[in-house]
Amino acid sequence: GEDVEQSLFLSVREGDSSVINCTYTDSSSTYLYWYKQEPGAGLQLLTYIFSNMDMKQDQRLTVLLNKKDKHLSLRIADTQTGDSAIYFCAESLSYSGGGADGLTFGKGTHLIIQP
Amino acid sequence: EAGVVQSPRYKIIEKKQPVAFWCNPISGHNTLYWYLQNLGQGPELLIRYENEEAVDDSQLPKDRFSAERLKGVDSTLKIQPAELGDSAVYLCASSLDGETEAFFGQGTRLTVV
Repeated sequence: GEDVEQSLFLSVREGDSSVINCTYTDSSSTYLYWYKQEPGAGLQLLTYIFSNMDMKQDQRLTVLLNKKDKHLSLRIADTQTGDSAIYFCAESLSYSGGGADGLTFGKGTHLIIQP
Repeated sequence: EAGVVQSPRYKIIEKKQPVAFWCNPISGHNTLYWYLQNLGQGPELLIRYENEEAVDDSQLPKDRFSAERLKGVDSTLKIQPAELGDSAVYLCASSLDGETEAFFGQGTRLTVV
């Protein structure tokens, strides 16, 4: 079955880079996503990567995909206090920006920013 | 432009009582989703609507949960009767169609006591 694993907490100093890691089990996953959830808010799609890509960069965000090891990471450069949130990794067989069909979420990583 | 609006934000009820949640999607969005998010977990899809049609309700516990989207716009999710294990955040999201980015509401936090 499908399973997505993430560490529950990550603590970084403001200004440092944050690297949030995720492993998944479904080798047929085609799209992998990163969502952000701030306290008391819904989920926000940050970025996604197609499985035939190794890397995707978008401003301060860099996504790395190691398909062989089924490992996905999200790097946030120059981490700010506003980046404090829960970050969810998710996988699916087809593009689903809606996070619906076939999307499996991890439990989320709490990113804690130290001043 | 207003985002996805959900109400109420918080609800506390006693077990065995009914409860209903309301969602107003972004104007023009045809696809509407209801998710369940338990504490410390990622969201899980309950039901997806394309306009007024429920196209995926396989994860909806139909013995106590029901949903409707009569005119293909607003939607309500109902639980009757509620159980202690239903305490969670219920998220609504909408998208133009099922293949474009969905936007989430703030959710309704349900506490069953």
